[in-house]
Amino acid sequence: AQSVTQLDSQVPVFEEAPVELRCNYSSSVSVYLFWYVQYPNQGLQLLLKYLSGSTLVKGINGFEAEFNKSQTSFHLRKPSVHISDTAEYFCAVSEGSSASKIIFGSGTRLSIRP
Amino acid sequence: GAVVSQHPSWVICKSGTSVKIECRSLDFQATTMFWYRQFPKQSLMLMATSNEGSKATYEQGVEKDKFLINHASLTLSTLTVTSAHPEDSSFYICSARARGNEQFFGPGTRLTVL
Repeated sequence: AQSVTQLDSQVPVFEEAPVELRCNYSSSVSVYLFWYVQYPNQGLQLLLKYLSGSTLVKGINGFEAEFNKSQTSFHLRKPSVHISDTAEYFCAVSEGSSASKIIFGSGTRLSIRP
Repeated sequence: GAVVSQHPSWVICKSGTSVKIECRSLDFQATTMFWYRQFPKQSLMLMATSNEGSKATYEQGVEKDKFLINHASLTLSTLTVTSAHPEDSSFYICSARARGNEQFFGPGTRLTVL
């Protein structure tokens, strides 16, 4: 069975600084990988996803992530954050089949300081 | 992107009563829908997978007789929390899988049981 680990429960950064949110996964088969953002009292919004092809994936709001199969990682990055990026970020994995469910990591709270 | 709605967005009920939450895919057909629950400041935990026209598949530890799921059509799945108790208070989120296999999430329903 697949699993996802987000090592950092909270990441505080200053506005306009770069940020990296870490995500590692485990699976015995090929996977699809996702990053979702959740603003307070709201549902999930897809930031980006890796299905196949280029290992560097660009998403919305200036975020990008790189799939590293050898390190089983899918870290999320943004070169310059804004106050509006304050939210909870979830990494998720789905085994590569049409019937697969999505399993979420524990989440990382990104807080931006002015 | 595709839109998934949930109704109600929040509900307060007395202990012992039952509550029904609806999940609708507004502009696409979803043969599979998923139900998650999220406790405060925690991740999403998959409760069950709902397939149109068949019984739902529940995750380990989820009581199927307490959380009744009905997927009556390709655009509607319902979750009924029977004999609700305060420990059932949570944020319930559904998602619907489109034909391209991407999942779209609803905005969530906050349930408070008094």
